[in-house]
Amino acid sequence: DTQMTQSPSSLSASVGDRVTITCRASQSVSNYLNWYQQKPGKAPKILIYSASSLQSGVPSRFSASGSGTDFTLTISSLQPEDFATYHCQQSYNIPRTFGQGTKVEIK
Amino acid sequence: EVQLVESGGGLVQPGGSLRLSCAVSGFTVRSNYMNWVRQAPGKGLEWVSIIYSGGATYYTDSVKGRFIISRDNSKNTLYLQMNSLRAEDTAVYYCARDDGQGGPFDYWGQGTLVTVSS
Repeated sequence: DTQMTQSPSSLSASVGDRVTITCRASQSVSNYLNWYQQKPGKAPKILIYSASSLQSGVPSRFSASGSGTDFTLTISSLQPEDFATYHCQQSYNIPRTFGQGTKVEIK
Repeated sequence: EVQLVESGGGLVQPGGSLRLSCAVSGFTVRSNYMNWVRQAPGKGLEWVSIIYSGGATYYTDSVKGRFIISRDNSKNTLYLQMNSLRAEDTAVYYCARDDGQGGPFDYWGQGTLVTVSS
């Protein structure tokens, strides 16, 4: 199975901050890497697919990059509605594994 | 409008069974890859199972032999039959569509809570 490791597990940031979350795969997943945002009590929502493609309707302050085993999600200027948990997921093979999540909290 | 609505969760004793349903509108279940994903309280997301449009099924190791994913094309509904339930199966269970091209889970249900406890 492909293990996905996110860092950090949590972070505190202020509105307007630039935030970067990393995700590392235990083996290459090419560009089959997706990022989800999840708010408490809600289902995850797709933000980024294929490593760097912004899902329709997602604000442009979200961006992502990477390929192979190392990936990053960046929020260029954190907004109040961005405080949430972010999950990476590989869709290269079965099982479609997720990272453990990164909780972005208000400083 | 696309909607996925899960039901069937609840409290069950260890060793018991439960069947989850995911009623879909807005697309055809049989033409898509469909998944179950779970999230234990305070934990991350865990992929559980997938059914391909062609009918092939796959499971995470911890549920193999205990869970069965299926669909009813006439009802456009996805199911997860869960047997021999354990405390560690306690989680919110989500159904989600997979675009089948190695892409993301683009549509999700709201989740249904399964609690396994005596």
